[in-house]
Formats: sequence, C-alpha cells, structure tokens
Amino acid sequence: NAGVMQNPRHLVRRRGQEARLRCSPMKGHSHVYWYRQLPEEGLKFMVYLQKENIIDESGMPKERFSAEFPKEGPSILRIQQVVRGDSAAYFCASSPGDRGLTYEQYFGPGTRLTVT
Amino acid sequence: KQEVTQIPAALSVPEGENLVLNCSFTDSAIYNLQWFRQDPGKGLTSLLLIQSSQREQTSGRLNASLDKSSGRSTLYIAASQPGDSATYLCAVSGSARQLTFGSGTQLTVLP
Repeated sequence: NAGVMQNPRHLVRRRGQEARLRCSPMKGHSHVYWYRQLPEEGLKFMVYLQKENIIDESGMPKERFSAEFPKEGPSILRIQQVVRGDSAAYFCASSPGDRGLTYEQYFGPGTRLTVT
Repeated sequence: KQEVTQIPAALSVPEGENLVLNCSFTDSAIYNLQWFRQDPGKGLTSLLLIQSSQREQTSGRLNASLDKSSGRSTLYIAASQPGDSATYLCAVSGSARQLTFGSGTQLTVLP
C-alpha cells in the first residue's frame, strides 16, 4: 500500500521558468492538500483540493501559482515565472475525505525546489 | 486566525530521559490535533492524532494529551533514544480541514 507519492523529489529551475510539482495521493484518498516550507520557517497551508474542485485556496499566492486535481492522474502544483523566493520544500498530503472520520492527513516526502 | 506555538524551540537531553514537548493553540474550535516527526531534509511522519473529543492517545513510548479548553497539548516521550532526534511538529485542524503548524521543537538525544 504505497503512501503519498511526490515527484520530482528535487527540482532546479532558473528564474522565469515554470515549475510543475506532482502529487499522487494514497490509494482511496480523494482529498489533497499542498503546504510550503520556506527555509527556516514553518509549514504553511497553500491549497485544498478534491477531484476536479478547489475547495480552499486561501493560502495560495495571488499570482503565478495554480493547482489542480483532475479526475484522472496526479494533483499538480504549478508555479509560473519562478523567482528565488519560491525556493522551498513543497509537501503534499492526502486524506480519505468524508469517509475518514478523523480527517487524518498523510504526507509525501516533498519536492525541494531551488531557483537559481 | 489560528496560531500554534511550540515550546521549547530546541531541546537536548541525554539518552534514557523522559521528556515533554509543549504545544499551544489560540482557537479552541479544533477538529483534531496531530503530532508529526520531521527528519532533516525529509517529509513528515505522523506520530499521533487526537480528535477533539479525546483526551489522549498512546503509541509505544509516545503519549499525547489534549486539553482543548485551555488550548494545550503535550507530547511525552519515554526513555528517549538517539534515534528520536528530529524536529517534532504540532498541527491543528478546524472545520476548514487545513492544518496550522507550529514552528517545531528540535530534539537532540545524546548517546
């Protein structure tokens, strides 16, 4: 029973390029969350998605960032025109949704983005 | 807006000691509280989850308590080992499901 999968594990982009981060939730999980951990800072919520729906994007920067969770395939966090301040570890978590009464979140290993 | 504070920020103890990590939160309207472990450069490992209706949870040498009315949780680690060295994170969720994290306690257990 595989856990939450994220790829790539490490990503290097030059300023101005696009970064695409992928997250495959645990089997049977229909809810996905993205969090960001900036250097020397705590984890901050970015966005909460269900299949084909964005439920809460209150933590997403207003520009350049977008997220999706299509009917088929992984969830994608997309960062356009990256800047050095986007360098961080991006974590994805999943939960079983309404069938899971505790709403416990299970985390992936993260994608470490470095912008040069 | 929910805020989570963890004290101390860092802790160093000799092997074998029992220790307590503290977590406090400002809004008592939480759904659950999770304790995680994070090793350097790694992801988060869930240690314990306490639902808002529960007072404590135990797993092996770990025991977590929750006092929702006072906005506090503690993580008790018995008979600490060098392999317990890591950063311990406390996080709470409300009706919005998102987790609000504390800044963590960096634990070092000396052999």
